[in-house]
Amino acid sequence: DAMVIQNPRYQVTQFGKPVTLSCSQTLNHNVMYWYQQKSSQAPKLLFHYYDKDFNNEADTPDNFQSRRPNTSFCFLDIRSPGLGDAAMYLCATSRGQTNEKLFFGSGTQLSVL
Amino acid sequence: DQQVKQNSPSLSVQEGRISILNCDYTNSMFDYFLWYKKYPAEGPTFLISISSIKDKNEDGRFTVFLNKSAKHLSLHIVPSQPGDSAVYFCAARAHYGGSQGNLIFGKGTKLSVKP
Repeated sequence: DAMVIQNPRYQVTQFGKPVTLSCSQTLNHNVMYWYQQKSSQAPKLLFHYYDKDFNNEADTPDNFQSRRPNTSFCFLDIRSPGLGDAAMYLCATSRGQTNEKLFFGSGTQLSVL
Repeated sequence: DQQVKQNSPSLSVQEGRISILNCDYTNSMFDYFLWYKKYPAEGPTFLISISSIKDKNEDGRFTVFLNKSAKHLSLHIVPSQPGDSAVYFCAARAHYGGSQGNLIFGKGTKLSVKP
């Protein structure tokens, strides 16, 4: 089945230690998104790629970076995780920016010790 | 400031009865609304959507109603089944001139359907 896959499912890192979360998709969608969701909060868009074009949300901290080396893969890099960055990170895809339906991965739960 | 509000964190309903999940929004530029369903340890999955040119969309047991004047939409599930127990997210997208904005999500409502 075509899908969005996130690895790992759970990630533990230390305060200040860089961490990378990964996402892959077999849907061949043009757009890939990263959302951050804290407990009992709404998923919050960090940034997205339309093909190779990177679009950062205005309030996304500089501590968060992303890479999309090809259509299938997208990475979220947190350069110096703080305790406040502990959250569920959701990757999603859509066919195009006018396509409203997003397809989500299962998420990576990040803990910062 | 939240543009999409789901004011009920949780809802409990008896199997076979109607579940009504509510969502309010503040941005008058929103023109497309979606509901997503999320089971524990899974990502959200698309459930149903509605365009602002409609006031109702139905898909099997699921119906979404949109009241633009009140900036309110609701998701009705009839009849409710135990498998419907999940967190339901309301989401909205704005249209600015020739471009679409990104999806804005509410905080979600946890629905529990009791046998």
